[in-house]
Amino acid sequence: GAGVSQTPSNKVTEKGKYVELRCDPISGHTALYWYRQSLGQGPEFLIYFQGTGAADDSGLPNDRFFAVRPEGSVSTLKIQRTERGDSAVYLCASAGGLGTDTQYFGPGTRLTVL
Amino acid sequence: GDSVTQMEGPVTLSEEAFLTINCTYTATGYPSLFWYVQYPGEGLQLLLKATKADDKGSNKGFEATYRKETTSFHLEKGSVQVSDSAVYFCAQGDFNKFYFGSGTKLNVKP
Repeated sequence: GAGVSQTPSNKVTEKGKYVELRCDPISGHTALYWYRQSLGQGPEFLIYFQGTGAADDSGLPNDRFFAVRPEGSVSTLKIQRTERGDSAVYLCASAGGLGTDTQYFGPGTRLTVL
Repeated sequence: GDSVTQMEGPVTLSEEAFLTINCTYTATGYPSLFWYVQYPGEGLQLLLKATKADDKGSNKGFEATYRKETTSFHLEKGSVQVSDSAVYFCAQGDFNKFYFGSGTKLNVKP
Protein backbone atom coordinates (compact mmCIF):
# COMPACT_ATOMS: atom_id res chain seq x y z
CA GLY A 1 0.00 0.00 0.00
CA ALA A 2 0.89 3.65 -0.12
CA GLY A 3 1.45 4.00 3.59
CA VAL A 4 1.22 2.29 6.95
CA SER A 5 -2.33 1.36 7.84
CA GLN A 6 -3.76 0.40 11.21
CA THR A 7 -7.05 -1.17 12.14
CA PRO A 8 -9.31 -0.49 13.83
CA SER A 9 -8.99 3.27 14.05
CA ASN A 10 -10.92 3.23 17.30
CA LYS A 11 -11.49 0.46 19.80
CA VAL A 12 -13.61 0.67 22.92
CA THR A 13 -13.48 -2.26 25.29
CA GLU A 14 -14.28 -3.12 28.87
CA LYS A 15 -11.76 -3.64 31.62
CA GLY A 16 -10.52 -7.22 31.64
CA LYS A 17 -11.18 -7.92 27.95
CA TYR A 18 -8.69 -8.99 25.32
CA VAL A 19 -7.92 -6.80 22.30
CA GLU A 20 -5.91 -7.11 19.10
CA LEU A 21 -4.59 -4.18 17.13
CA ARG A 22 -3.37 -4.66 13.57
CA CYS A 23 -0.66 -2.93 11.58
CA ASP A 24 0.00 -3.20 7.83
CA PRO A 25 3.42 -1.74 7.07
CA ILE A 26 4.63 -0.27 3.82
CA SER A 27 5.25 -3.08 1.37
CA GLY A 28 8.84 -4.28 1.50
CA HIS A 29 9.67 -2.64 4.82
CA THR A 30 11.43 -5.14 7.06
CA ALA A 31 11.50 -3.06 10.23
CA LEU A 32 8.31 -2.50 12.22
CA TYR A 33 7.76 -0.62 15.47
CA TRP A 34 4.93 -0.29 17.96
CA TYR A 35 4.52 2.77 20.17
CA ARG A 36 2.00 3.94 22.71
CA GLN A 37 1.06 7.61 22.94
CA SER A 38 -0.83 8.95 25.91
CA LEU A 39 -2.59 12.29 25.80
CA GLY A 40 -0.14 15.17 25.76
CA GLN A 41 2.89 12.90 25.52
CA GLY A 42 5.21 11.73 22.81
CA PRO A 43 5.23 8.19 21.47
CA GLU A 44 6.65 5.63 23.89
CA PHE A 45 8.55 2.72 22.36
CA LEU A 46 7.04 -0.72 22.90
CA ILE A 47 8.64 -3.21 20.53
CA TYR A 48 10.72 -3.46 17.36
CA PHE A 49 10.63 -6.22 14.74
CA GLN A 50 13.24 -6.91 12.12
CA GLY A 51 11.57 -9.36 9.79
CA THR A 52 9.60 -11.92 11.76
CA GLY A 53 11.55 -11.65 14.98
CA ALA A 54 11.17 -9.23 17.86
CA ALA A 55 14.62 -7.66 17.96
CA ASP A 56 13.82 -5.47 20.97
CA ASP A 57 10.76 -5.86 23.18
CA SER A 58 12.14 -3.95 26.15
CA GLY A 59 9.38 -1.35 25.97
CA LEU A 60 6.48 -3.72 26.59
CA PRO A 61 5.16 -2.65 30.00
CA ASN A 62 4.27 -6.11 31.31
CA ASP A 63 3.36 -9.61 30.23
CA ARG A 64 -0.19 -8.61 29.31
CA PHE A 65 1.25 -7.09 26.15
CA PHE A 66 2.45 -9.25 23.30
CA ALA A 67 3.11 -8.67 19.60
CA VAL A 68 3.65 -10.95 16.63
CA ARG A 69 4.69 -10.64 13.02
CA PRO A 70 4.54 -14.21 11.74
CA GLU A 71 5.27 -13.58 8.06
CA GLY A 72 7.42 -10.52 8.35
CA SER A 73 4.72 -8.15 7.12
CA VAL A 74 1.50 -7.58 9.09
CA SER A 75 1.87 -7.28 12.84
CA THR A 76 -0.64 -7.67 15.64
CA LEU A 77 -0.34 -6.13 19.08
CA LYS A 78 -2.26 -8.16 21.65
CA ILE A 79 -3.31 -6.90 25.05
CA GLN A 80 -4.77 -9.29 27.59
CA ARG A 81 -6.89 -8.39 30.62
CA THR A 82 -7.04 -4.75 29.60
CA GLU A 83 -6.87 -2.07 32.27
CA ARG A 84 -8.08 1.53 32.19
CA GLY A 85 -4.45 2.66 32.18
CA ASP A 86 -3.98 0.96 28.81
CA SER A 87 -6.14 3.63 27.20
CA ALA A 88 -3.97 5.46 24.66
CA VAL A 89 -3.27 5.78 20.96
CA TYR A 90 -1.21 2.85 19.71
CA LEU A 91 1.04 3.77 16.80
CA CYS A 92 2.77 1.54 14.33
CA ALA A 93 5.70 2.57 12.15
CA SER A 94 7.74 0.82 9.51
CA ALA A 95 11.17 1.43 8.03
CA GLY A 96 12.98 0.18 4.98
CA GLY A 97 15.24 -2.28 6.69
CA LEU A 98 18.43 -2.83 8.57
CA GLY A 99 20.50 0.31 8.42
CA THR A 100 17.55 2.55 7.68
CA ASP A 101 16.38 4.75 10.50
CA THR A 102 13.59 6.76 8.88
CA GLN A 103 10.25 5.54 10.18
CA TYR A 104 6.89 6.03 8.54
CA PHE A 105 3.98 6.16 10.94
CA GLY A 106 0.45 4.91 10.64
CA PRO A 107 -2.57 6.93 11.82
CA GLY A 108 -2.85 4.97 15.05
CA THR A 109 -5.53 3.04 16.90
CA ARG A 110 -7.25 4.87 19.73
CA LEU A 111 -7.91 2.34 22.49
CA THR A 112 -10.36 3.22 25.23
CA VAL A 113 -10.78 0.86 28.17
CA LEU A 114 -13.92 1.53 30.17
CA GLY B 1 18.88 6.35 30.52
CA ASP B 2 18.35 7.70 27.04
CA SER B 3 15.76 10.46 26.78
CA VAL B 4 14.64 13.61 24.99
CA THR B 5 13.50 16.86 26.58
CA GLN B 6 11.83 19.60 24.58
CA MET B 7 10.33 22.91 25.50
CA GLU B 8 6.76 22.90 26.64
CA GLY B 9 4.11 24.57 24.62
CA PRO B 10 1.97 25.89 23.37
CA VAL B 11 4.05 28.36 21.42
CA THR B 12 1.99 31.11 19.80
CA LEU B 13 3.53 33.26 17.07
CA SER B 14 2.37 35.69 14.46
CA GLU B 15 2.87 34.83 10.82
CA GLU B 16 6.41 35.58 9.57
CA ALA B 17 7.88 35.43 13.08
CA PHE B 18 11.06 33.51 13.86
CA LEU B 19 10.63 30.11 15.47
CA THR B 20 12.87 28.20 17.85
CA ILE B 21 11.82 25.02 19.62
CA ASN B 22 14.48 23.74 21.99
CA CYS B 23 15.38 20.07 22.22
CA THR B 24 18.07 18.36 24.28
CA TYR B 25 18.85 14.69 24.56
CA THR B 26 20.72 12.22 26.71
CA ALA B 27 22.19 9.16 25.06
CA THR B 28 24.64 6.41 25.86
CA GLY B 29 25.70 6.07 22.23
CA TYR B 30 25.64 8.21 19.11
CA PRO B 31 22.05 8.28 17.96
CA SER B 32 20.47 9.91 14.98
CA LEU B 33 18.25 12.91 15.80
CA PHE B 34 14.87 13.70 14.31
CA TRP B 35 12.06 16.19 14.25
CA TYR B 36 8.61 14.85 13.52
CA VAL B 37 5.50 16.93 12.90
CA GLN B 38 1.87 16.09 13.48
CA TYR B 39 -0.62 18.30 11.69
CA PRO B 40 -4.19 18.43 13.03
CA GLY B 41 -6.00 15.19 12.26
CA GLU B 42 -2.96 13.56 10.67
CA GLY B 43 -0.29 11.06 11.67
CA LEU B 44 3.33 11.71 12.57
CA GLN B 45 5.53 12.72 9.64
CA LEU B 46 9.29 13.01 9.51
CA LEU B 47 10.25 16.67 9.12
CA LEU B 48 14.03 16.41 9.15
CA LYS B 49 16.88 14.40 10.60
CA ALA B 50 20.62 14.45 11.25
CA THR B 51 22.74 11.35 11.68
CA LYS B 52 26.00 12.64 13.17
CA ALA B 53 27.52 15.57 15.01
CA ASP B 54 27.47 18.92 13.17
CA ASP B 55 25.06 17.61 10.54
CA LYS B 56 22.25 20.00 9.66
CA GLY B 57 18.85 18.66 8.72
CA SER B 58 16.54 20.87 6.72
CA ASN B 59 13.12 20.69 5.11
CA LYS B 60 10.29 23.11 4.27
CA GLY B 61 12.32 26.03 5.62
CA PHE B 62 12.95 24.31 8.96
CA GLU B 63 16.49 23.58 10.14
CA ALA B 64 18.16 21.83 13.05
CA THR B 65 21.83 21.17 13.74
CA TYR B 66 23.15 18.15 15.65
CA ARG B 67 25.19 19.69 18.48
CA LYS B 68 27.06 16.98 20.33
CA GLU B 69 28.83 19.39 22.70
CA THR B 70 25.53 20.74 24.02
CA THR B 71 23.51 17.56 23.31
CA SER B 72 20.95 19.67 21.50
CA PHE B 73 18.95 19.64 18.29
CA HIS B 74 16.95 22.88 18.30
CA LEU B 75 14.39 23.42 15.55
CA GLU B 76 14.35 26.79 13.79
CA LYS B 77 12.45 28.51 11.02
CA GLY B 78 13.02 32.04 9.90
CA SER B 79 9.44 32.91 8.95
CA VAL B 80 6.54 30.75 10.08
CA GLN B 81 3.24 30.43 8.25
CA VAL B 82 -0.23 29.65 9.49
CA SER B 83 0.11 26.27 7.80
CA ASP B 84 3.00 25.41 10.16
CA SER B 85 0.55 25.13 13.06
CA ALA B 86 1.07 21.62 14.37
CA VAL B 87 2.67 19.61 17.16
CA TYR B 88 6.41 19.08 16.79
CA PHE B 89 8.24 16.13 18.34
CA CYS B 90 11.97 15.81 18.82
CA ALA B 91 13.32 12.25 18.82
CA GLN B 92 16.55 10.33 19.05
CA GLY B 93 17.40 6.78 18.22
CA ASP B 94 19.19 4.21 16.22
CA PHE B 95 17.78 1.27 14.32
CA ASN B 96 16.08 -0.59 17.09
CA LYS B 97 14.84 1.92 19.64
CA PHE B 98 13.67 5.50 19.54
CA TYR B 99 12.88 8.05 22.22
CA PHE B 100 10.50 10.94 21.68
CA GLY B 101 10.00 14.19 23.52
CA SER B 102 6.56 15.13 24.78
CA GLY B 103 5.83 17.45 21.87
CA THR B 104 5.49 21.20 21.43
CA LYS B 105 2.31 22.65 20.01
CA LEU B 106 2.82 25.57 17.68
CA ASN B 107 0.01 27.99 16.91
CA VAL B 108 0.66 30.54 14.17
CA LYS B 109 -1.80 33.42 13.92
CA PRO B 110 -2.38 35.42 10.74
